[in-house]
Amino acid sequence: QSALTQPPSASGSPGQSVTISCTGTSSDVGGYDYVSWYQQYPGKAPKLILYEVTKRPSGVPDRFSGSKSGNTASLIVSGLQTEDEAVYYCCSYAGNNRVFGTGTKVTVL
Amino acid sequence: QVQLQESGPGLVRPSETLSLNCTVSGASLSGHYWSWIRQVPGKGLEWIGHMYYSGNANYRYNPYLERRVTISVDTSKNQFSLKLTSVTAADTAVYYCVLGSGRDWFDPWGQGTLVTVSS
Repeated sequence: QSALTQPPSASGSPGQSVTISCTGTSSDVGGYDYVSWYQQYPGKAPKLILYEVTKRPSGVPDRFSGSKSGNTASLIVSGLQTEDEAVYYCCSYAGNNRVFGTGTKVTVL
Repeated sequence: QVQLQESGPGLVRPSETLSLNCTVSGASLSGHYWSWIRQVPGKGLEWIGHMYYSGNANYRYNPYLERRVTISVDTSKNQFSLKLTSVTAADTAVYYCVLGSGRDWFDPWGQGTLVTVSS
């Protein structure tokens, strides 16, 4: 199975914005508006930060936002804070499967 | 709030069966999607499958693992379980049990349990 493609790393200074892409195919990202994003700290379980492309669960700061165009979804983190340094994964519904992205390590400089 | 806790052996021999349980608190198993997801240390996430229980259980498995995977439910213990047969070193991973929406989100996650396949 092919994982969704994410850049291995992204970085920014505090207060800046970073955008993480998540590229799939018409059978997953492009075919459904069921893309979710997860934040994972070392040694911890992933935490849901976005679902249905753009929706934020209760308690997630509005600095996190999402979008989708064609086969690529994006996570935008605005106003970077030190606690945003983590690995981020996207996930897409793919009919009879669920596919995760390769993960992006965000570093706050 | 909903909490999930994985339990089971941390070491499994090659070719044997990996068995894990997930105990759910704060919610009934009924009317929800319960998933297993794994993560090879230092690597990405892989969805294994899910179960939807509403009187009887319906299952969906990752097509790449389907022939080796079984998810089952024990409503008397508010638990669901994972069995993965014929394991190899490639099945060494942290295994998470997770509440899901069926098509989209996974939340919350258990803390995860590391299972090592080794002789």
